[in-house]
Amino acid sequence: EVQLVESGGGLVQPGGSLRLSCAASGFKVNDDDMHWVRQGTGKGLEWVSVIDSSGDTRYADSVKGRSAISRENANNSLHLQINNVTVGDTAMYFCGRSKPSRGIDSWGQGTLVIVSS
Amino acid sequence: SYELTQPLSVSVALGQTATITCGGHNVGRKSVHWYQHKPGQAPVLVISRNTNRPSGIPERISGSKLENTATLTISGAQAGDEADYYCQVWDSSSYYVFGPGTKVTVL
Repeated sequence: EVQLVESGGGLVQPGGSLRLSCAASGFKVNDDDMHWVRQGTGKGLEWVSVIDSSGDTRYADSVKGRSAISRENANNSLHLQINNVTVGDTAMYFCGRSKPSRGIDSWGQGTLVIVSS
Repeated sequence: SYELTQPLSVSVALGQTATITCGGHNVGRKSVHWYQHKPGQAPVLVISRNTNRPSGIPERISGSKLENTATLTISGAQAGDEADYYCQVWDSSSYYVFGPGTKVTVL
């Protein structure tokens, strides 16, 4: 059974950094495309970043240049670091898995990040 | 940046049919995925690649596409179908793009 469990959320000060993790089981993170998607309070889903099975990474414009997505094959986990955070980064962050050209078919329950002083 | 359009809300009577549209430039040439998202829960993929239902998704949920509009149809609407529904595509410049979401209310 595929399972994804996010961690690392919490309160972050503006200008600080956040590092989120996603523990995967039931499949290998390096076999599929792994995503981060977020939802701000009262807002819709916003795609954040992806690392594909080849290791190529892509980012939404909202986080490009201050974010890094990575995976740890040994621990079968996914990570996201966002630097220089702003209140606009306050959101529930979900990790997800997809096969190439297909929808995100597995999701974690999310981890909440609040950016506030 | 690439954008998708969806109606803000759709209301449907219990047992009737709800349709949610998703529009955007060249949507006809893109693969459209649909997600159901209930408060406090993880999103669920309900339609992949325009018309394909993942295992466990009931047949009364279906997807279609005509020219530049994709449509999600919920037949025989149930109280449990109340949720936000998002379409999503891949675009070469914006990568993975979600629509703004449609809130479905079952009356």
